[in-house]
Amino acid sequence: AQSVAQPEDQVNVAEGNPLTVKCTYSVSGNPYLFWYVQYPNRGLQFLLKYITGDNLVKGSYGFEAEFNKSQTSFHLKKPSALVSDSALYFCAVRDNTNAGKSTFGDGTTLTVKP
Amino acid sequence: GAGVSQSPSNKVTEKGKDVELRCDPISGHTALYWYRQSLGQGLEFLIYFQGNSAPDKSGLPSDRFSAERTGGSVSTLTIQRTQQEDSAVYLCASSLSPAASYEQYFGPGTRLTVT
Repeated sequence: AQSVAQPEDQVNVAEGNPLTVKCTYSVSGNPYLFWYVQYPNRGLQFLLKYITGDNLVKGSYGFEAEFNKSQTSFHLKKPSALVSDSALYFCAVRDNTNAGKSTFGDGTTLTVKP
Repeated sequence: GAGVSQSPSNKVTEKGKDVELRCDPISGHTALYWYRQSLGQGLEFLIYFQGNSAPDKSGLPSDRFSAERTGGSVSTLTIQRTQQEDSAVYLCASSLSPAASYEQYFGPGTRLTVT
């Protein structure tokens, strides 16, 4: 079985400050981890993924995420938040032995205030 | 290129009626997924297709739900005898391969309202 937890329903940050959106996971095999973003009235868009290699992965719009195997975490980060980053963020996990099925977290609403 | 498209964008139906939701994946994408997103909730996996293989139906909530994928491309999700709890946004996604390392590309969704 696989699962994802996003412990924060809401994250509020001021524009220009660093942001972190947290994600922890559980899988039986090796994890493949993804972040997606959903802007208001728009579909989900892929941001970045961890498959193997460097624990720090970089993605779209200046976002990055750090894979931590010992803590089973994959937190999304950005050094300097923009108001336009305000959106709903989803973490997802796949087990490398279960290609088809992704498990998504419940989502975290990020609000960046000017 | 063209992304994943879904139709209709909105559907209002009366309780007890059947509905069909359509998904056109990105050309060349062999894997297709259906999810349900209820208001304020995360994504609930419904079903997954890969080529000619038997679909993974493990997420379908009841036997009122079924899905087909014709010719390895277009997919239709059918909900029979709709109930109010079926109201949600139904999302379709496709990916290049069923391999776990590939990201999914999502359509804009169909918002279903059952009255």
